[in-house]
Amino acid sequence: DSGVTQTPKHLITATGQRVTLRCSPRSGDLSVYWYQQSLDQGLQFLIHYYNGEERAKGNILERFSAQQFPDLHSELNLSSLELGDSALYFCASSVDVGLSYGYTFGSGTRLTVV
Amino acid sequence: GENVEQHPSTLSVQEGDSAVIKCTYSDSASNYFPWYKQELGKRPQLIIDIRSNVGEKKDQRIAVTLNKTAKHFSLHITETQPEDSAVYFCAGDSGYSTLTFGKGTMLLVSP
Repeated sequence: DSGVTQTPKHLITATGQRVTLRCSPRSGDLSVYWYQQSLDQGLQFLIHYYNGEERAKGNILERFSAQQFPDLHSELNLSSLELGDSALYFCASSVDVGLSYGYTFGSGTRLTVV
Repeated sequence: GENVEQHPSTLSVQEGDSAVIKCTYSDSASNYFPWYKQELGKRPQLIIDIRSNVGEKKDQRIAVTLNKTAKHFSLHITETQPEDSAVYFCAGDSGYSTLTFGKGTMLLVSP
């Protein structure tokens, strides 16, 4: 157990629907990162939050949004889902914003859009 | 932004052989280069990392070397074992403390 908790583990939904993925960082970690992993694209950075504030955006679609709450858990919202959104979504956390100790991944949410 | 290229995409070795995976990066300001191992269906796990003020780092059978001038770094695994079979990802920090990953190397160690 890495200490980073992601729910749900699996999600199957239809095209056009909206889903919410949840991530609880390791105790004491203030940074949360979201990555999308698909077979042909590897690990793609989506967005980074530090202590409730957005710090950086990567290749995140406008249909996707995220936030980090006061208790530091984060949610990734995916809307108007398309078949191509099927992927593994990983959350990672780190203690600070400077990568002093690298970061730790959760076990991921496997999203299947049918 | 940072771009990380990783080679080879697949690598097959016999048990006991050495394996080397190479990565190049584009951003000369990058300072942190971790390597992650991902077994099938599992999360990526940090196995070793190196910072720009160090040229080499070892941890038992695993070593990483960094050449900042040439902007490349490599993972070396000696005396490979079947349990080393996995996908290995290199990464470089790309500002704002985010990591850009290479596309991964599938390592297969045959008994």
